[in-house]
Amino acid sequence: DVKVTQSSRYLVKRTGEKVFLECVQDMDHENMFWYRQDPGLGLRLIYFSYDVKMKEKGDIPEGYSVSREKKERFSLILESASTNQTSMYLCASKGPFYEQYFGPGTRLTVT
Amino acid sequence: GENVEQHPSTLSVQEGDSAVIKCTYSDSASNYFPWYKQELGKGPQLIIDIRSNVGEKKDQRIAVTLNKTAKHFSLHITETQPEDSAVYFCAVPPHAGGTSYGKLTFGQGTILTVHP
Repeated sequence: DVKVTQSSRYLVKRTGEKVFLECVQDMDHENMFWYRQDPGLGLRLIYFSYDVKMKEKGDIPEGYSVSREKKERFSLILESASTNQTSMYLCASKGPFYEQYFGPGTRLTVT
Repeated sequence: GENVEQHPSTLSVQEGDSAVIKCTYSDSASNYFPWYKQELGKGPQLIIDIRSNVGEKKDQRIAVTLNKTAKHFSLHITETQPEDSAVYFCAVPPHAGGTSYGKLTFGQGTILTVHP
């Protein structure tokens, strides 16, 4: 079974703080993704990575950056957290075809 | 980019009834159509998918049907049970041309509630 883990289930941060969300997959997948999930908006792609040190912007990259130093780990960084970044963050890795395997999510609250 | 519309946004059924969720997409070149289920407190999980050379696929109580001409596909759940209560998402890959890296564009989600 593919396992995707995320570093925190719940996180509360203050406006202006730098926030790191970590994601680890154990299936040697090359492609990894970060989404945010908001009610009525579905899953929106923030960034994705197709190899170590390779990354591309998704649909809503503003205010975020990412890091992929090792194949199994993909990090999402909020350089200066703002209240409009309060959301559920989901990490996924891609299998051999288009199927994606998701972690349990991190619910981030920025106050 | 791909435009994906999912309906309804909420669906409430009695246990044993059928449930149908529909997804429409914009790019006629799309060739892969998955459905994901997200239970409370968990990430989405792939439950069924269909490729464009097939019109229907069944797996026990769930099925997906595809109408490429009309550019829509639907999730059908028969004999619903309370454990089917979840949020369901459709998804479509970007257009077939170019490099997509396996990206998916997701629908807005449907909250399904099955009442005992």
